[in-house]
Amino acid sequence: DTAVSQTPKYLVTQMGNDKSIKCEQNLGHDTMYWYKQDSKKFLKIMFSYNNKELIINETVPNRFSPKSPDKAHLNLHINSLELGDSAVYFCASTPERGVINEKLFFGSGTQLSVL
Amino acid sequence: GQQVMQIPQYQHVQEGEDFTTYCNSSTTLSNIQWYKQRPGGHPVFLIQLVKSGEVKKQKRLTFQFGEAKKNSSLHITATQTTDVGTYFCAGRQGGSEKLVFGKGTKLTVNP
Repeated sequence: DTAVSQTPKYLVTQMGNDKSIKCEQNLGHDTMYWYKQDSKKFLKIMFSYNNKELIINETVPNRFSPKSPDKAHLNLHINSLELGDSAVYFCASTPERGVINEKLFFGSGTQLSVL
Repeated sequence: GQQVMQIPQYQHVQEGEDFTTYCNSSTTLSNIQWYKQRPGGHPVFLIQLVKSGEVKKQKRLTFQFGEAKKNSSLHITATQTTDVGTYFCAGRQGGSEKLVFGKGTKLTVNP
C-alpha cells in the first residue's frame, strides 16, 4: 500500500546503456516530479508533470526523457548513460500545485550507479 | 539561478543539546517547507509555513518564517538520537513554478 512506489530500488549498469525507472502513485495526485540527489545530497528538480502534461523541464540533457502514460505514472528513461548520471533519483507527487498545499510525497528512491 | 541557502551544512551535537538550521533567500518566498531525510531514506515532509512571521511547533521542533519572508529556521530542543538525518528547507521564490531546495543540514547526534 506504498503511496509513491518506484522501481527498481538499485540499478547498476555500464556507461552507454539505456535504462528506465518507473514510478507510480496511488494517492490520486495530479502532479508528479523527478528529482535527482547527488552524492552531496543536493536535491534538484528535473521534471514535473501535471495530469500527463509537462510543466517543468529543467536544464536536463535530452538523454533524459520522462513519460507519463496517465496521471498516476511517471517514468524516466535515460539514454547513453554517463558516469555523471550516478545518483539517487526520487519520484514525488503532490496533491496540488501552488503555494498553499504543495506537499511533496517522495518515493523511496532509485540508486543508479553507472560503471 | 534561483537559490535557497541553508546553513550549516553539518551539525554534530551531544544528545540533549539543541540544534538549529537556517535558510535564506535573496528574494521573497511565497512559502517555506521543511523535510527530513533519514540516512538511506527519502525526504519526508515536516511542515509548511506561508505567513510572514509565522511560528509553528511540533513537539520539540519549532519552525519560523521571517517577517520579510526571506528566511526561515528549524530549531530542535533537546535532541535525541532519533533526530539524526538531513533537514532540508524548500521554498518557492516569487511567482516561480518551482520549489527550490536548500542543500540540507546533516545532523548527527552523539548518545
